[in-house]
Amino acid sequence: NAGVTQTPKFRVLKTGQSMTLLCAQDMNHEYMYWYRQDPGMGLRLIHYSVGEGTTAKGEVPDGYNVSRLKKQNFLLGLESAAPSQTSVYFCASSTRDRGTGELFFGEGSRLTVL
Amino acid sequence: EDKVVQSPLSLVVHEGDTVTLNCSYEVTNFRSLLWYKQEKKAPTFLFMLTSSGIEKKSGRLSSILDKKELFSILNITATQTGDSAIYLCAVGGFGNEKLTFGTGTRLTIIP
Repeated sequence: NAGVTQTPKFRVLKTGQSMTLLCAQDMNHEYMYWYRQDPGMGLRLIHYSVGEGTTAKGEVPDGYNVSRLKKQNFLLGLESAAPSQTSVYFCASSTRDRGTGELFFGEGSRLTVL
Repeated sequence: EDKVVQSPLSLVVHEGDTVTLNCSYEVTNFRSLLWYKQEKKAPTFLFMLTSSGIEKKSGRLSSILDKKELFSILNITATQTGDSAIYLCAVGGFGNEKLTFGTGTRLTIIP
């Protein structure tokens, strides 16, 4: 069972470069989320999607864009990376019936911006 | 804005001790409170609580919710080194498709 898969798992960028993190889930979940985790800050929601073709802002959306062109994929883009975006990024998914229930997480993507 | 506060921020105990982790919250139209355990990588689900006063239990871990006082506790009895982790609390509300997480409690068990 693949569950939620994130790629890449590690990436080092220079300030100003762009990149895309890919999240793929094979559980046919309607809801998908991108969180970032920083020391002492817990998990903070960046953007989320409640279905194919929809996206919405979370609590820390600035500097990020997302797209959900296919139900199983949720992409997180950084157009011009900044050192403040150095973090561990987690993708998660859940069913519509449990929209505020159990989240299934990917294993995380560690991004360093120099 | 929904808010979750966990305490303590970190805790160090000896193997065999019992620990209690706290989570207080503010959320509009409360629907659920969830506990996750995070070791090296992704958080893993422990419990979801929706009703006040009903204890959820899994082995040495248990959790209870008090909707009147807006808090939950997670108890771990007879702790083992494998319990060392960050424990995350999250809440969600009806009409809100997302969870709000606390900053977590880092638990360290000394052999």
